[in-house]
Amino acid sequence: DSGVTQTPKHLITATGQRVTLRCSPRSGDLSVYWYQQSLDQGLQFLIHYYNGEERAKGNILERFSAQQFPDLHSELNLSSLELGDSALYFCASSVVWGAGDEQFFGPGTRLTVL
Amino acid sequence: QKEVEQDPGPLSVPEGAIVSLNCTYSNSAFQYFMWYRQYSRKGPELLMYTYSSGNKEDGRFTAQVDKSSKYISLFIRDSQPSDSATYLCAMMRDSNYQLIWGAGTKLIIKP
Repeated sequence: DSGVTQTPKHLITATGQRVTLRCSPRSGDLSVYWYQQSLDQGLQFLIHYYNGEERAKGNILERFSAQQFPDLHSELNLSSLELGDSALYFCASSVVWGAGDEQFFGPGTRLTVL
Repeated sequence: QKEVEQDPGPLSVPEGAIVSLNCTYSNSAFQYFMWYRQYSRKGPELLMYTYSSGNKEDGRFTAQVDKSSKYISLFIRDSQPSDSATYLCAMMRDSNYQLIWGAGTKLIIKP
């Protein structure tokens, strides 16, 4: 158990809908990262927050947004969902933000868009 | 062309064999190299972390980085069925702490 929690574990929804994925980092970790993992694209970095502020954006669609709250938990919002958004979404956390900082991954949320 | 290339496999070997997993990359600015292991339905977990070139050993695992060839390897000695998982390489630049991932190689160790 990495200490990173994600809810829900599974989510099934329809195209056009909006969902929110939640992540609680390890105690004391200030950084939260969101990743998407699909069969054809592998693990893709979406966005990084450090102590409440957005630090880096990767391949995140405009339909997706995220935030990190004062208690350091984070939410990833996915809207106008398409079939291609079906994937595993992982949250990871690290102590700070730097090259030597290990990222600890949560168990993921499996999103299925029908 | 992807920045990091990794053969997705699957790679199937008998128990006890030495396993070699590899990644190639195109960006010479990468300085930090990692290997993550991901079991089915779980999140990735860090196995090995190397800075710049050279070798690093941890138990049955050895990571090698050859920056001149832009090639990294992970060796697993005395492989066990519990090593069956997907192994992902990831790398990072000094100036940008964003991990760039390989596609992952699915490894199967047959008892």
